[in-house]
Parts: sequence; C-alpha cells; structure tokens
Amino acid sequence: NAGVTQTPKFRVLKTGQSMTLLCAQDMNHEYMYWYRQDPGMGLRLIHYSVGEGTTAKGEVPDGYNVSRLKKQNFLLGLESAAPSQTSVYFCASSLQGNGNTIYFGEGSWLTVV
Amino acid sequence: AQSVTQLGSHVSVSEGALVLLRCNYSSSVPPYLFWYVQYPNQGLQLLLKYTSAATLVKGINGFEAEFKKSETSFHLTKPSAHMSDAAEYFCAVSANTGNQFYFGTGTSLTVIP
Repeated sequence: NAGVTQTPKFRVLKTGQSMTLLCAQDMNHEYMYWYRQDPGMGLRLIHYSVGEGTTAKGEVPDGYNVSRLKKQNFLLGLESAAPSQTSVYFCASSLQGNGNTIYFGEGSWLTVV
Repeated sequence: AQSVTQLGSHVSVSEGALVLLRCNYSSSVPPYLFWYVQYPNQGLQLLLKYTSAATLVKGINGFEAEFKKSETSFHLTKPSAHMSDAAEYFCAVSANTGNQFYFGTGTSLTVIP
C-alpha cells in the first residue's frame, strides 16, 4: 500500500547544480502537488497539476519547474540550485480538487551548499 | 481569497490535560477545513476533515474539532493528552471551488510527563 512515494529522501547539492525530485502515486489521483516546508512558514505550494499533461504555478514557483507526463508521476526540477532552496519538499495528491483530502509523501530533505 | 491562522506556534500541555489548538480561517465561500498531524521526519497525515455534514467532527486518536461559522474558527481539541500526541499540527482550508489548499504555519505540541 505505497500511496505517495518520493525519491530521493535526502540529497546534498552544490550551488548551481541541477536535480529532479520524483513523486509517484498509485491511487489514480488526478491532482498532484509539490510543497516546500520551512521552519515557521508552514507548507507553501510550489506547483501543482490537475491532470496528466497539465501544470500550474503555486505560491512560490520561482526557481522550480515541473512536469506531469504520466498521471501517476509528478517531477520537480531545480535547474540551478540556490541555498535558499534548502528545504523539505513534500509531494501530495488528491482525487480531485474542491476539498478532496490531500495525501502526502514522506518528504525529501534537500540541502544546497 | 482564503487563508488560515493558527494561534500559537508552540503549545505545551501536561499528560492527561486538555489539548486545544486554535485555527481561524478566512474564506469567501463555504470552506472545507482540515487538520493534519506531522510526526518528526514524516509526512502529513489527515486527522479530520469538515465537509459541512456536521459541525462537530471526530477524527483519529481521540481528536475532534468544531466548526463555528460565526467565529470563523475550527479549533482542535482532545480531552486528555498522551505522550504520543507530541507532533506538529497543521490546519488547512480549501474552498468548494478551485484547486488549492492553504495551510497554516503549524503548531508544535509538546506533552509534558
């Protein structure tokens, strides 16, 4: 019963490097989200997708790109990592929007040095 | 526009005492309201959800929350705190239209033996 799975769980990057976080869900959910969590700031939405092939910007999209080529996967990319992107990243999914429950992955800890 | 305010970033209670975590929301339309719990180094798990069926919502682990429209509040309570309740708690709001959740900044609950 996997639910929402994120890889990798931990990563250290040097400033300027690029990387991709992978999120996979096995619940046939239409909606997927990427959040970042920082101390004292709660969860902030980076990008989201309302279906395969669609993406939209959230609250803090700058410096990130996303793709949803397959319904079950939602990729978050950092093209040129910056120390300000040191954070914990959470992927989530929901059946639909409009108040449906969001289910979260376990998180990915990213440090940019 | 929607937002959530959690009063008190840190709450400490003695084991066996009442737990009260406060959440106020602003929403231009009738909202869906959620409480999530996050244990250390884990993702967020749903505690309970308000969907307008009943103003008093019971969740897992003995938690409940009451929706008060006149006060725009959705406070989380538990009659008797247990050591295992120590965690971060997030209130969230979602409108019945649209695609986004809005999370509060979280309340860290400490249970003192």
